[in-house]
Amino acid sequence: DAKTTQPTSMDCAEGRAANLPCNHSTISGNEYVYWYRQIHSQGPQYIIHGLKNNETNEMASLIITEDRKSSTLILPHATLRDTAVYYCIVRGTSGTYKYIFGTGTRLKVLA
Amino acid sequence: EAQVTQNPRYLITVTGKKLTVTCSQNMNHEYMSWYRQDPGLGLRQIYYSMNVEVTDKGDVPEGYKVSRKEKRNFPLILESPSPNQTSLYFCASRRQGGISGYEQYFGPGTRLTVT
Repeated sequence: DAKTTQPTSMDCAEGRAANLPCNHSTISGNEYVYWYRQIHSQGPQYIIHGLKNNETNEMASLIITEDRKSSTLILPHATLRDTAVYYCIVRGTSGTYKYIFGTGTRLKVLA
Repeated sequence: EAQVTQNPRYLITVTGKKLTVTCSQNMNHEYMSWYRQDPGLGLRQIYYSMNVEVTDKGDVPEGYKVSRKEKRNFPLILESPSPNQTSLYFCASRRQGGISGYEQYFGPGTRLTVT
């Protein structure tokens, strides 16, 4: 599975959009991009995933560049409850079944 | 309610005393996995199981054992715990297969301290 690179931390003002980048330059054609978040020391929570098209759900939007080497998770109107560590993971749907979470981005939403 | 449960949630034990952390899911998921989380190291996968009687090593399997005798349960066994296994442990499960894959559901975590 491809390795991902994320900034260690970011701040965002409450009510503004939070844009969290992820680099995955070695991603292969059948690998999806997944995003999870972890609030305090709770179990991680799934947010969204995609292959090459942009995706949107009730929590967030996922923008994947055309070359698929990077992506951005967008929280359109960040709230204080969105303060968490956000993990970007790249993996395929067949073959290896390992997950590599890395250390993620610590997002702090400021009042 | 669909969920992954872990027991115990907190455990303090001594070096060398065998322990088992249980994990159970009620979603009929084929895939289950164990992770540990340590400050500065993020989440690291210990073992995973793709179905009953099928398990494989993750990135940090040393010192741990698992078994998958039933679909819903995936216990983590520490035969001889050591202080470097002090950590926060998470169990997770998900459906297997599918074109686009499925998300993992995580348990609430077990905080283990080995003295």
